Amino acid sequence: EDQVTQSPEALRLQEGESSSLNCSYTVSGLRGLFWYRQDPGKGPEFLFTLYSAGEEKEKERLKATLTKKESFLHITAPKPEDSATYLCAVQGATNKLIFGTGTLLAVQP
Amino acid sequence: NAGVTQTPKFRILKIGQSMTLQCTQDMNHNYMYWYRQDPGMGLKLIYYSVGAGITDKGEVPNGYNVSRSTTEDFPLRLELAAPSQTSVYFCASSYSTVQETQYFGPGTRLLVL
Repeated sequence: EDQVTQSPEALRLQEGESSSLNCSYTVSGLRGLFWYRQDPGKGPEFLFTLYSAGEEKEKERLKATLTKKESFLHITAPKPEDSATYLCAVQGATNKLIFGTGTLLAVQP
Repeated sequence: NAGVTQTPKFRILKIGQSMTLQCTQDMNHNYMYWYRQDPGMGLKLIYYSVGAGITDKGEVPNGYNVSRSTTEDFPLRLELAAPSQTSVYFCASSYSTVQETQYFGPGTRLLVL
């Protein structure tokens, strides 16, 4: 059964304090791993797609990496506006997205 | 280009009432999806559609119905609302399915009392 586990559940950082969010997965025939950002009361907003182990993508202070078992979302020198819930999802042979429960990130000024 | 829009934003239903959650996309996407999001749980797929006239069940379809008469619209119907259907509902769309990004609407928050 395809499964996604995100850790930690919640993370509090000081502005400028870099850290990483983890997404561990088991999936039959990985076709893609997706990262989304979700603000309170809003729908998920697409950030990155990673397709194969070793791939990396960057956007501003965010960098996503992928191995055969997990993905990391690295946040460098975060700002308060980076506070949100970050969702990870995998797509396997069924073509359906399986979502993790998310990591709630709070960045304090 | 509005993307994916959903109405209403919030609704309170009494047990046994019916309602339709509306979803419209203007990106000419073939694929559309309905998810529900509950506290502490990941998004769960309710129903999806691969094109006008074609729908299929997702992981948690019980208590819901869908139809897709046009490319743009994908309404979700609750026939007999139950407290277990209290949730936030998100509609999403994508051009294709394999390795394609799904774009989400702003959500409908539903409370069944």
